[in-house]
Amino acid sequence: GAVVSQHPSRVICKSGTSVKIECRSLDFQATTMFWYRQFPKQSLMLMATSNEGSKATYEQGVEKDKFLINHASLTLSTLTVTSAHPEDSSFYICSARSRLEQFFGPGTRLTVL
Amino acid sequence: TQLLEQSPQFLSIQEGENLTVYCNSSSVFSSLQWYRQEPGEGPVLLVTVVTGGEVKKLKRLTFQFGDARKDSSLHITAAQPGDTGLYLCAGAKGRGADGLTFGKGTHLIIQP
Repeated sequence: GAVVSQHPSRVICKSGTSVKIECRSLDFQATTMFWYRQFPKQSLMLMATSNEGSKATYEQGVEKDKFLINHASLTLSTLTVTSAHPEDSSFYICSARSRLEQFFGPGTRLTVL
Repeated sequence: TQLLEQSPQFLSIQEGENLTVYCNSSSVFSSLQWYRQEPGEGPVLLVTVVTGGEVKKLKRLTFQFGDARKDSSLHITAAQPGDTGLYLCAGAKGRGADGLTFGKGTHLIIQP
């Protein structure tokens, strides 16, 4: 299967700071990438769709000014959590579309103190 | 609104037993994918089913997609402790341009 990487794998930050998470498709080009969030003991919830060269599409209830998404190339999408608060602590996972399937990155554990 | 109902949420059985996990919806999906997720890691794709009525086998795992493309099942034969994990079904509405809708997942424990 296709390989997707995420960086960093784990980040701890203070409340009020911004955190950037990178998602890369390593062996294929992805015009569309997706960002999900997963709270403990829960399933994945789609946050936004990242489209190369255009604005991201956000799901209902997800603040676009808080979760900034940039998809500047066919292999890289970034998610920036701005002014992070403890309630933003979660497991953030990206995926990249290859044909009909989505391949997921290993996730980023964000802890906001 | 949870569009994909996955059941059971938790299942603990003995090694060697068979089990089935169900994924049901009132919506039609263009494709449905099954993933397995280990703690602290991203989901790993097991299979994608696209055609109504389709059956796919992956060693001891059998996946079915309902005729109406609204439901799916995962059957594991002779479960082994290595099968322990979180199994997730996820449906796609479009031809891949849309994000996936995930079920709540099934936490499976196979006891030796």
